[in-house]
Amino acid sequence: GQNIDQPTEMTATEGAIVQINCTYQTSGFNGLFWYQQHAGEAPTFLSYNVLDGLEEKGRFSSFLSRSKGYSYLLLKELQMKDSASYLCAVPSNDYKLSFGAGTTVTVRA
Amino acid sequence: EAGVAQSPRYKIIEKRQSVAFWCNPISGHATLYWYQQILGQGPKLLIQFQNNGVVDDSQLPKDRFSAERLKGVDSTLKIQPAKLEDSAVYLCASSQSGAPTMGQFFGPGTRLTVL
Repeated sequence: GQNIDQPTEMTATEGAIVQINCTYQTSGFNGLFWYQQHAGEAPTFLSYNVLDGLEEKGRFSSFLSRSKGYSYLLLKELQMKDSASYLCAVPSNDYKLSFGAGTTVTVRA
Repeated sequence: EAGVAQSPRYKIIEKRQSVAFWCNPISGHATLYWYQQILGQGPKLLIQFQNNGVVDDSQLPKDRFSAERLKGVDSTLKIQPAKLEDSAVYLCASSQSGAPTMGQFFGPGTRLTVL
């Protein structure tokens, strides 16, 4: 099975940077996903990492260290619309996703 | 490209009643998933279909939950009878076979309240 941990809540100011950490324990590794979920809406795909290192996509970047069982999602130049829950998810060998509980990010003016 | 469609969006029922949810995945997506998301938690997989066959239903409470995908496209999830603890958002997702790194595409969900 998969065991995924991420902080429950984070608060940051508009324009700032926030880093959301995720640690995982899996029986096999098939990459790691990050999803964004606004309140009352469906999760939407943000990133997928399978190799170690940092992948940048505009204001959002995702980092993976397979040896440490660790990933983070970095949100830069925060905007009010970034207030959402961010879900870390790890797929099994047949790509069923196990999700963390999610980190609720609140962006304040 | 149309996304994953779900209906109804909201449903309120009393305990012991029955309820059914419908999902239409993205065209061409062979794999379909139903998740249960309780408030404050991440989605939990209930059942996974590949075309019209069940791949994994190990976390589906089979005494009260059932799901089908008869023609390999649309799917329905049923709860009979509902309990208070079934109050949650039920998310349907689909993915393209052979492209697992694209992740799963989620529908808007059905918010179920059991009174």
